[in-house]
Amino acid sequence: NAGVTQTPKFRVLKTGQSMTLLCAQDMNHEYMYWYRQDPGMGLRLIHYSVGEGTTAKGEVPDGYNVSRLKKQNFLLGLESAAPSQTSVYFCASRQTGTGGPISPQHFGDGTRLSIL
Amino acid sequence: DQQVKQNSPSLSVQEGRISILNCDYTNSMFDYFLWYKKYPAEGPTFLISISSIKDKNEDGRFTVFLNKSAKHLSLHIVPSQPGDSAVYFCAASARSSGSARQLTFGSGTQLTVLP
Repeated sequence: NAGVTQTPKFRVLKTGQSMTLLCAQDMNHEYMYWYRQDPGMGLRLIHYSVGEGTTAKGEVPDGYNVSRLKKQNFLLGLESAAPSQTSVYFCASRQTGTGGPISPQHFGDGTRLSIL
Repeated sequence: DQQVKQNSPSLSVQEGRISILNCDYTNSMFDYFLWYKKYPAEGPTFLISISSIKDKNEDGRFTVFLNKSAKHLSLHIVPSQPGDSAVYFCAASARSSGSARQLTFGSGTQLTVLP
């Protein structure tokens, strides 16, 4: 029962470097989301996807790109990392509705990213 | 402009007593509300939810109350246990966000249950 798995768990980057965060879910969920959490703040939505091959911007998309080439994977990319992107990043997934109660999002354990 | 606010960053309660965590929202389009619990170094885990067509939802020791006119919801934990010590996030979703049902989170409340 892996659920939502995020890799890596920790990473330190230098300003200007690029990297990709991987999110994988084994629940066959259609919807996937990327959030960032900063001290004293709640989770803020970066990008999301409503299905394979689709992506959309969230509340704080600048400086990030995403791809959903496979249903089970959602990648978050930083092309040129900046110190302001130091944060904890969470991925989540959710199943589609069936007319009943709205299904909750299931979260991974996060990636702690520091940019020097 | 924070649409979901948790004005108490922290709360301490004695074991066995009731914990009440509060959340206020400003967006009248929100129609679905959730509470998540988060332990250090882990992701948030879903706790309980409520639709705007209800004013109360109960699951074991956890009850969520919704007051739409006041745009306020609260989470009651009775009785509180030391294992309940965690950060609690309130989140809201609007039908207007479409099928993706994006969540807007509050800043969280650290609950400490004292033995």
